Amino acid sequence: DAGVIQSPRHEVTEMGQEVTLRCKPISGHDYLFWYRQTMMRGLELLIYFNNNVPIDDSGMPEDRFSAKMPNASFSTLKIQPSEPRDSAVYFCASRAGPGYGYTFGSGTRLTVV
Amino acid sequence: GQQVMQIPQYQHVQEGEDFTTYCNSSTTLSNIQWYKQRPGGHPVFLIQLVKSGEVKKQKRLTFQFGEAKKNSSLHITATQTTDVGTYFCAANTGTASKLTFGTGTRLQVTL
Repeated sequence: DAGVIQSPRHEVTEMGQEVTLRCKPISGHDYLFWYRQTMMRGLELLIYFNNNVPIDDSGMPEDRFSAKMPNASFSTLKIQPSEPRDSAVYFCASRAGPGYGYTFGSGTRLTVV
Repeated sequence: GQQVMQIPQYQHVQEGEDFTTYCNSSTTLSNIQWYKQRPGGHPVFLIQLVKSGEVKKQKRLTFQFGEAKKNSSLHITATQTTDVGTYFCAANTGTASKLTFGTGTRLQVTL
């Protein structure tokens, strides 16, 4: 298995632009999570899905952030419009179910200038 | 919301020395997981502890879950340069599906 696949690995964009991050979870994993990591705030859970349905989006910072999971093998996290404070590493993770460990993707390093 | 605190934030050891990081919660945890993140990398799952007082070992790493299930520790015996990274504990908060990560302990090992 190729693991959790995220794209792009790096993204540099100008403030105000739309950014879309992509994730392919491990086949058969029913749960998908989006985390954001910064030095100041550590690893923050943004949103998670179970069987493609968003369960908890309480960590999404504001309306500029949205996430979708149209099918079991694909999810997107969109930021529109982007701001410099959105600069962070965004991780996608999946797991088979409660009680299992998370498998993280390699992350997308987002820089908004 | 529930917070999971780790201490220390940072530790620098000489290769061969031991290292311990501690994870503390104000509430009882159903289970706890540990992850390692190498510099520039992503968190990698190490282990899960479920039972009160549970102790698990992985080579030089020893993981312990407190009797009251409010704290946990990771101990590394005779550190090596390959142990460099940040170690996170993580616990379920609210539902069984949602993990909250601790603040992490960054370990630096020098020769």
